[in-house]
Amino acid sequence: EDKVVQSPLSLVVHEGDTVTLNCSYEVTNFRSLLWYKQEKKAPTFLFMLTSSGIEKKSGRLSSILDKKELFSILNITATQTGDSAVYLCAENTNAGKSTFGDGTTLTVKP
Amino acid sequence: DTGVSQDPRHKITKRGQNVTFRCDPISEHNRLYWYRQTLGQGPEFLTYFQNEAQLEKSRLLSDRFSAERPKGSFSTLEIQRTEQGDSAMYLCASSVGTVNTEAFFGQGTRLTVV
Repeated sequence: EDKVVQSPLSLVVHEGDTVTLNCSYEVTNFRSLLWYKQEKKAPTFLFMLTSSGIEKKSGRLSSILDKKELFSILNITATQTGDSAVYLCAENTNAGKSTFGDGTTLTVKP
Repeated sequence: DTGVSQDPRHKITKRGQNVTFRCDPISEHNRLYWYRQTLGQGPEFLTYFQNEAQLEKSRLLSDRFSAERPKGSFSTLEIQRTEQGDSAMYLCASSVGTVNTEAFFGQGTRLTVV
């Protein structure tokens, strides 16, 4: 089965810092790459990426996909304490199911 | 509330008992997924439905686990003869369309087997 690897496993920053979260995936039956934010319970959707080199942006968050290197990054600028969460990366395949990484735990200190 | 709804939110059961969880997806969503998540790990795929048809079941899922979606609306996940290793958060998600859409997750059912 495809494997999704996220790094770093955890990250502690101070408010105002910029962070970059990494996600690598395997290519079998790849359809799209998704990012979710998980605070306490349910993961909430952030971005879906299907094409290389096209940045998706929402406020202070942005993400990009590199299909040649099988890699995606999630950037958060001017971090706030409310950004503290687990960020999950997932690969969607032709079968429609998602294979998730183990997440990056981000802690933003005031 | 038009989000994905799961019931119960918490379940404590003794080892060897059977448990059943329910998921009500977003109403127009034809795809429904079950995932399991343990502490420090990402959600792990269990099974999914397109309408009432169960299209895939994880090889990791033992035959003690069964899921149904009888009328293509709500779904149930049953675990028979629970074991301590079944303790986890069970997440349900739904999506609309075919394969390239995002899934919306419910709040999960936390199962503790004692």
